[in-house]
Amino acid sequence: EVHVVESGGGLVQPGRSLRLSCEASGFTFEEYAMHWVRQAPGKGLEWVSGISWNSGSIGYADSVKGRFTISRDSAKKSLYLEMNSLRAEDTALYYCARGGDVWLRAHFDYWGQGTLVTVSS
Amino acid sequence: QSALTQPPSASGSPGQSVTISCTGTSSDVGGYHFVSWYQQHPGKAPKLIIYDVTQRPSGVPDRFSGSKSGNTASLTVSGLQADDEADYYCSSYAGSDKSVFGGGTKLTVL
Repeated sequence: EVHVVESGGGLVQPGRSLRLSCEASGFTFEEYAMHWVRQAPGKGLEWVSGISWNSGSIGYADSVKGRFTISRDSAKKSLYLEMNSLRAEDTALYYCARGGDVWLRAHFDYWGQGTLVTVSS
Repeated sequence: QSALTQPPSASGSPGQSVTISCTGTSSDVGGYHFVSWYQQHPGKAPKLIIYDVTQRPSGVPDRFSGSKSGNTASLTVSGLQADDEADYYCSSYAGSDKSVFGGGTKLTVL
């Protein structure tokens, strides 16, 4: 059974950094793209970033480009999101989601339960 | 990279059909066959219900169907049931390795 489990969220001050992790199981990790999607409290879904199966294609939302860095480690079956220069508007539940195929163009077919990031002084 | 446009709310009585629209541009919805829809119940993670405009994942009832015309995609829920009450989001590939979501539609079963 496919599972993705996020971790690393917490309370952080504006301007500081945080690293999120997502551990995958139940599928061949290197055969799928992976994504981060966030949801601010009471708001809708926002795609944040995605990475192809071989890390050869990486995309970022304009709102995080230059501040966030996505990466993956096939040996550890893990996805990461390094978040720098955090702002109050980055406060959200961050979901890890599996892509529908190797590239970044497809849908998000399995989701974790999310890890909450709160940016506040 | 602007969000896709969805109506904030939709409603229907049990057994009826309801259609939710998702309007983008030729750079996202109109330019690719990669439109998907997600159902989210309160406090839960989103669930994929339609992908590639019209395809249903295994286990999703055929009461859910998708279509697209030009820059607008649509989700139709037929034979409404109480459990269909949820938030629904569309998403589309937007080129340059980016994706975009709609603002979401709250579906109420009257």
